[in-house]
Amino acid sequence: NAGVTQTPKFRVLKTGQSMTLLCAQDMNHEYMYWYRQDPGMGLRLIHYSVGEGTTAKGEVPDGYNVSRLKKQNFLLGLESAAPSQTSVYFCASRGLNYNSPLHFGNGTRLTVT
Amino acid sequence: QQPVQSPQAVILREGEDAVINCSSSKALYSVHWYRQKHGEAPVFLMILLKGGEQKGHDKISASFNEKKQQSSLYLTASQLSYSGTYFCGTEPDNTDKLIFGTGTRLQVFP
Repeated sequence: NAGVTQTPKFRVLKTGQSMTLLCAQDMNHEYMYWYRQDPGMGLRLIHYSVGEGTTAKGEVPDGYNVSRLKKQNFLLGLESAAPSQTSVYFCASRGLNYNSPLHFGNGTRLTVT
Repeated sequence: QQPVQSPQAVILREGEDAVINCSSSKALYSVHWYRQKHGEAPVFLMILLKGGEQKGHDKISASFNEKKQQSSLYLTASQLSYSGTYFCGTEPDNTDKLIFGTGTRLQVFP
């Protein structure tokens, strides 16, 4: 049982380049989330999804887009990377039950130069 | 909209107790608590739902006061393994968002 898998684990981009981060979960969870983590700022919600085909903005959505074409996958895209997007990105998922905890992936460390 | 956690950092000797607080400006449906070790993903500790409850397992427990929109995490007789950064995650009423606080760094020394 893999849980939540994020790819890639590390990536270095130049300013202006684009990339997509993939999150895959095998727990049949409805809800999926993308967070970024920066020193001293905790985990900040970028975008989230409450089911296949749905997405919604979180607290810091600017510069990112997402898609949830399949229930098990949640993609995070950066169209034109900026140094301010250097961060560790975590994907998480949880089930519909009100007691469901978040299951996190191992994170993607992104550096934009 | 991020909940406020206090204190920002705690240093303990093994066996000492600590309390970490989480306060939100929004009416909350639930509060989650997670612990993160350096370089790792956050790990779930517990969830408290609206209705004002207290939960606990082993020497870690938590309370949720929905009227005050506050939650507290209690760590008793701390162990070295308790070291890490603790985050509260708040789920405001009528949303599916889970918003995290800025974290409390806990260090336990022998």
